[in-house]
Amino acid sequence: ETGVTQTPRHLVMGMTNKKSLKCEQHLGHNAMYWYKQSAKKPLELMFVYSLEERVENNSVPSRFSPECPNSSHLFLHLHTLQPEDSALYLCASSRTQGSMNTEAFFGQGTRLTVV
Amino acid sequence: LAKTTQPISMDSYEGQEVNITCSHNNIATNDYITWYQQFPSQGPRFIIQGYKTKVTNEVASLFIPADRKSSTLSLPRVSLSDTAVYYCLVGPRMDSSYKLIFGSGTRLLVRP
Repeated sequence: ETGVTQTPRHLVMGMTNKKSLKCEQHLGHNAMYWYKQSAKKPLELMFVYSLEERVENNSVPSRFSPECPNSSHLFLHLHTLQPEDSALYLCASSRTQGSMNTEAFFGQGTRLTVV
Repeated sequence: LAKTTQPISMDSYEGQEVNITCSHNNIATNDYITWYQQFPSQGPRFIIQGYKTKVTNEVASLFIPADRKSSTLSLPRVSLSDTAVYYCLVGPRMDSSYKLIFGSGTRLLVRP
């Protein structure tokens, strides 16, 4: 148990569906991340939120829409996805203290299958 | 961010010491070296971080030579449960927009 909780753990959705992934941490962290990991590929950084502001958007298609309502919660809203978007989606959090950043803690991930 | 190079895979046997080396020739003065472990279908887990010389914790040791152009993660007496992918990351710790960029990692297989 890392203190970062992702729900759901598994999700199957059609290409016309709208769904959301949720990430929650109560570690006192103020930076949160979304990663995508496709089969046999490295983790790809998608979004970074620091102090609830998006500070990184790695050219992610607009069918992925992040939301960070507060420092403890992070969402990834999904709509009109493609089969190639099937992957493990991982959330992580870390703490920034001034200009320092601690190591990141990852959730268990959401296994997404787009049919 | 400095590029890292690791072996794609390694094999070992239970009880052996495993050393995984990572090359980072372009490491910057303010970069730290961090290692993560990832099991299948789980998120990566922090193992160890260092800047120079040697760092040891209850899980592993990290050896960093004086020129810091490489580092070696040492896992003492591995068990089957150490089978995982190990990632070496290099980046500034003193950075408020710290981005964790993962490479391909080293896939370690521990055999009985």
